[in-house]
Amino acid sequence: NAGVTQTPKFRVLKTGQSMTLLCAQDMNHEYMYWYRQDPGMGLRLIHYSVGEGTTAKGEVPDGYNVSRLKKQNFLLGLESAAPSQTSVYFCASSRPGTTDTQYFGPGTRLTVL
Amino acid sequence: EDQVTQSPEALRLQEGESSSLNCSYTVSGLRGLFWYRQDPGKGPEFLFTLYSAGEEKEKERLKATLTKKESFLHITAPKPEDSATYLCAVQPSGYSTLTFGKGTMLLVSP
Repeated sequence: NAGVTQTPKFRVLKTGQSMTLLCAQDMNHEYMYWYRQDPGMGLRLIHYSVGEGTTAKGEVPDGYNVSRLKKQNFLLGLESAAPSQTSVYFCASSRPGTTDTQYFGPGTRLTVL
Repeated sequence: EDQVTQSPEALRLQEGESSSLNCSYTVSGLRGLFWYRQDPGKGPEFLFTLYSAGEEKEKERLKATLTKKESFLHITAPKPEDSATYLCAVQPSGYSTLTFGKGTMLLVSP
């Protein structure tokens, strides 16, 4: 099993450009999450999904949109990138139940110029 | 509001020098407390989940403990390969989301 994979690994955008980050998991997990990680700030939740076709806002949702059209995929979109969105983005997934352990992908490093 | 505070921010140890990392938390009701390890340029890697005060879990040189207000990650006789950032997170009862602390960066010198 590949676990959680993220595409792309690196990306550089200019202010105002748009892009989509792709997260895929092969563990048949119901829940999926998008985080951003900034120096001195820790991991902060952007959006999450508890099932196909459902999404919810996390702690820092502004400037991002998400979609969960298939159970195994969770997309994070930036419609008009800003320098403040320069960060490392992590996707995670989990299966609800006794453990709820979240398993993370390798991350995408995004720079907005 | 759920809060997680990790201390120290950074810790430098000599190989073999045992120590502990602290995770203090405030949550309305705790479903679980999680410890992760993160290497530079990589995603967090799951280590432990603790569910109730008094619970302990071990893995190689690591042991995690939990009280009603804090958790400790004890590192016994660390090796350079234990160098990483250790993250603590809490899951409130009734929620599927985690609140993370800012982490402790551990450096173990040979």
